[in-house]
Amino acid sequence: EVQLLESGGGLVQPGGSLRLSCAASAFTFSNYAMSWVRQAPGKGLDWVSSITIGGGGTYYADSVKGRFTISRDNSKNTLYLQINSLRADDTAVYYCTRTIGGSGVYSAFDIWGPGTMVTVSS
Amino acid sequence: QLVLTQSPSASASLGASVKLTCTLSSGRSSYAIAWHQQQPEKGPRYLMKVNSDGSHNKGDGIPDRFSGSSSGSERYLTISSLQSEDEADYYCQTWGTGLVVFGGGTKVTVL
Repeated sequence: EVQLLESGGGLVQPGGSLRLSCAASAFTFSNYAMSWVRQAPGKGLDWVSSITIGGGGTYYADSVKGRFTISRDNSKNTLYLQINSLRADDTAVYYCTRTIGGSGVYSAFDIWGPGTMVTVSS
Repeated sequence: QLVLTQSPSASASLGASVKLTCTLSSGRSSYAIAWHQQQPEKGPRYLMKVNSDGSHNKGDGIPDRFSGSSSGSERYLTISSLQSEDEADYYCQTWGTGLVVFGGGTKVTVL
């Protein structure tokens, strides 16, 4: 079964950092663009960042540009999100998603992980 | 500006049909969108991609009760024969150069 599984979330103080990971299984990870989407408590979905299949192209929402870094290791079938200078409004569930194959980096997200919770609080 | 607009809520009786609307911002009527379902306390699930011509490509295992269509700048998700497990939030998603956008979501209540 095609799966994505996020890890690395937790409670962090404002200004702190975290590294989220997303392990992919049962598909050829290196053939797909990947993204992160977040959802604040009680709110809707919010795109965070996307990365091309080789990792050479990275894209960010304005709200996280300069603080978040997306990357991938195709040899480990793993997607990452380094999040720095965390603020209270970064509190959210962070989802790893796969972009529909053959569509470039921007298209429908066809696989979602269960998410990992990041809480920013002192 | 690329924006998707959804009604906050919709409801229908068990066994009936409901049609959800996602409206693209002005000048974006050629854009495809995707529909996602989020059941309570769960992560989202991809339902289908809907193109501007109304054609749609459903995700694996999505029941035939779910269908998509288009008209101008509006994209639709119709759920037929509503079941209790269809009570969820439904989000539309689109994309452009350099960004991805989600609608605010529609909460569907099964009466």
